[in-house]
Amino acid sequence: GALVYQYPRRTICKSGTSMRMECQAVGFQATSVAWYRQSPQKTFELIALSTVNSAIKYEQNFTQEKFPISHPNLSFSSMTVLNAYLEDRGLYLCGARGDWGDQNTLYFGAGTRLSVL
Amino acid sequence: GEQVEQRPPHLSVREGDSAVITCTYTDPNSYYFFWYKQEPGASLQLLMKVFSSTEINEGQGFTVLLNKKDKRLSLNLTAAHPGDSAAYFCAVRSGNTGKLIFGLGTTLQVQP
Repeated sequence: GALVYQYPRRTICKSGTSMRMECQAVGFQATSVAWYRQSPQKTFELIALSTVNSAIKYEQNFTQEKFPISHPNLSFSSMTVLNAYLEDRGLYLCGARGDWGDQNTLYFGAGTRLSVL
Repeated sequence: GEQVEQRPPHLSVREGDSAVITCTYTDPNSYYFFWYKQEPGASLQLLMKVFSSTEINEGQGFTVLLNKKDKRLSLNLTAAHPGDSAAYFCAVRSGNTGKLIFGLGTTLQVQP
């Protein structure tokens, strides 16, 4: 079967520093990868959607300058949180869809939980 | 932009009772609908997805109803048990943008 792996599962960074998280699709080719953030006591906000052979589309409250994303091939994506502050803490989810299963369903990883000191 | 409203934000029921969570959405071109469960400290677990215009899907201990005419999606836990205590999120895939948009979530507590 297909799986989406995210790492690290948990991370802590100092305020003002940066943190990179990774997403790996195993068993299928991830033509689209979506990154979401769940801030404490909130729902899942879409940060950006990356589709192979297209530009990465960021949502209104998120920018490439703050959350640069790389999607170099059909099995891997990474996102960095630059200059992390308290409001950046939360659970970051990677969802991927592609050539496995239902192509309209995003398959989510277990998430990277970011704490900021 | 597209919006998804989820009600209620908090729900407390006794074991054996039913629990109903409802989402309404604004984009008439939405075409895929999902329910996710998130246990404390955990990630999202896909409960069910529905596609058809009016559809009732039954899972293990729950029923999902989609009414596209009313732009309404509901999750009905038929006989809740303490293991069902979690946060539940609906998600709607927009026909206009292809984005998956989540509701604000419902925190369900099932009292023994």
